[in-house]
Amino acid sequence: GIQVEQSPPDLILQEGANSTLRCNFSDSVNNLQWFHQNPWGQLINLFYIPSGTKQNGRLSATTVATERYSLLYISSSQTTDSGVYFCAVEETSGSRLTFGEGTQLTVNP
Amino acid sequence: DAEITQSPRHKITETGRQVTLACHQTWNHNNMFWYRQDLGHGLRLIHYSYGVHDTNKGEVSDGYSVSRSNTEDLPLTLESAASSQTSVYFCASSEWTSGIQYFGAGTRLSVL
Repeated sequence: GIQVEQSPPDLILQEGANSTLRCNFSDSVNNLQWFHQNPWGQLINLFYIPSGTKQNGRLSATTVATERYSLLYISSSQTTDSGVYFCAVEETSGSRLTFGEGTQLTVNP
Repeated sequence: DAEITQSPRHKITETGRQVTLACHQTWNHNNMFWYRQDLGHGLRLIHYSYGVHDTNKGEVSDGYSVSRSNTEDLPLTLESAASSQTSVYFCASSEWTSGIQYFGAGTRLSVL
């Protein structure tokens, strides 16, 4: 099956700093989604981004499908950004998502 | 507002017992999914359904079953609970066309 690798596995920032999270995938994908899992365990969809660039407030994402990677940018980080960020890809054959292992982000005040 | 609800939120059971976790969505989505998340890891797909009476095995389906008798519900059954099934279980749903998945709050299951 498709492999999804996220980096870095852990990231610690001071409030106000910027960061870039990376997701590499091993094969062609039908779509790619970024999720945030907050410290209480709730999973929230951030972006549905099979290709191109999208922005939502302080967050933006870019997927370069031909090179099999996606980047999630967090600018002016806040403590509420803490949690785990997951990249998940849908193989071309259906709507089943394969998740990466996530990036644990801690934003300190 | 549409939502996806899981129950119970927490469950403790004994090895060998049958356990059913409920998932109910009011999005009217065709697709529903069950995942498990083990400590410090990503989510792994257990079973999924593309519509009423449709069920499919995911990556880690052994020891689990699902049935889809209506659009709104996809209950997950552990036939004979094992300690290795201690995990957090998430249900999700999506429309066919967009594929954006919306998740429930999760059920934390402990098998003793």
